[in-house]
Amino acid sequence: QTAVTQEPSLTVSPGGTVTLTCASSTGAVTSGYYPNWFQQKPGQAPRALIYSTDHKHSWTPARFSGSLLGGKAALTLSGVQPEDEAEYYCLLYSGGAQLGVFGGGTKLTVL
Amino acid sequence: QLQLQESGPGLVKPSETLSLTCTVSGGYISSSSYYWGWIRQPPGKGLEWIGSIYYRGNTYYNPSLKSRVTIFVDTSKNQFSLNLSSVTAADTAVYYCARRSEMRVGYSIDSWGQGTLVIVAS
Repeated sequence: QTAVTQEPSLTVSPGGTVTLTCASSTGAVTSGYYPNWFQQKPGQAPRALIYSTDHKHSWTPARFSGSLLGGKAALTLSGVQPEDEAEYYCLLYSGGAQLGVFGGGTKLTVL
Repeated sequence: QLQLQESGPGLVKPSETLSLTCTVSGGYISSSSYYWGWIRQPPGKGLEWIGSIYYRGNTYYNPSLKSRVTIFVDTSKNQFSLNLSSVTAADTAVYYCARRSEMRVGYSIDSWGQGTLVIVAS
């Protein structure tokens, strides 16, 4: 089964920019994996931020953006706010977009 | 507004079957644009995709759990359910039900239940 890898932890200063990445054990991540990104804060259910690589939901703050970068899916936060401190998970689809695999998550600290 | 609510026992004995139900309100489970699924999260760990179902009964399961998982739907009650057999302590987790929407481009798990903690212990 595909393994999906994320940075375990990252630290960013308020107002700074940080990029989280999502890699697949099977090779380069493409748009065909329909990369999704989720934010989860302690004690809460995950919340969808980005779908299909770079598409935002109506509730996704403008400072969040998704892309493909160097064979990985990427989530970039520009102008980080203290409330962005959270765990971030990527999800990649395979099997005709019917089988999902989550990454291990990135704990983002805003310090 | 769509709401999903998990229900079921919070404690299951080892080797028994874990059974959870997700009740959907504010929307119809019998919609061509959605799949309905289960995701779990062991305490202090990451998310694991368990599987999903279409209202017509098409199912897709995580290969690592496939031999123990059944997901089924009851459109008359606007519910879908999860059975996980032969549980062990490793199945202790918060279990989320969720909706996957077919977007204009691709797919998004855009609605989640609040999650329910299931502990496997004797």
